[in-house]
Amino acid sequence: NAGVTQTPKFRVLKTGQSMTLLCAQDMNHEYMYWYRQDPGMGLRLIHYSVGEGTTAKGEVPDGYNVSRLKKQNFLLGLESAAPSQTSVYFCASSNGLYRGRTDTQYFGPGTRLTVL
Amino acid sequence: GENVEQHPSTLSVQEGDSAVIKCTYSDSASNYFPWYKQELGKRPQLIIDIRSNVGEKKDQRIAVTLNKTAKHFSLHITETQPEDSAVYFCAASFNKLVFGAGTILRVKS
Repeated sequence: NAGVTQTPKFRVLKTGQSMTLLCAQDMNHEYMYWYRQDPGMGLRLIHYSVGEGTTAKGEVPDGYNVSRLKKQNFLLGLESAAPSQTSVYFCASSNGLYRGRTDTQYFGPGTRLTVL
Repeated sequence: GENVEQHPSTLSVQEGDSAVIKCTYSDSASNYFPWYKQELGKRPQLIIDIRSNVGEKKDQRIAVTLNKTAKHFSLHITETQPEDSAVYFCAASFNKLVFGAGTILRVKS
C-alpha cells in the first residue's frame, strides 16, 4: 500500500495563478483532510471531507476550494494564489470517529508551495 | 471552537535525560488525544495516542498522561536519544483534530 500520496511535491506560482493539489489514499478511509503548516503555527485545517461527495470548512478555508468526487481522492484548489498562501500543505486521511474507531490520521508527504 | 496550547516551544535535553511536553485544551467534549512526531522535511507521524477513558498509556520509552478535570495532557520521553530530536505536536479531537503549535526537541549527545 502506498498510503497517502500527494502531487506535486513542489510548486512555485506567481500571484494570481491557479493550481490544484491532488491527494490520493489507498486505505479505503472515509475522512480526508487538507492542512497547511507554517512556522510556529502547527497544522491548521483548511477543509475536510467525511465521505465521497461531501466537503466542509476548517479553520482557515478562505482562498481555497476542495472537491471529493471519488472516495480515494481529495483535491485542493487555489483559484487566485496570494503570497500569504506560501506554505507546506499536508493531506491526511482517517477512518474518522465512528463507533469507537480511533481517529488516527495518516499524513501524505506534503507539497511545498511558494507564491511570488 | 477547540483551542490547544502546547509548551514549551523549544526543549533541549542531554542524551539519556527525560523530556516532558505539556498541552492544554479548551473543549471538554474532546475525547481523543494523539501525539505526532515530525522530522525535518518529513510528514507528521503518530507516535502515541490516548482516549478520554484512559489516564495513562505507555509504549516503551514514551508515555502520555491525561487529566480530564484540568484539561491537560503530557508526553513523557525517557532515556532520550539523538534520534528523538524532532518537532512534536499534540492534538485534541471531538470530531476533528486541533493541533498545538509544536515543540522543537533537541537531544544533545
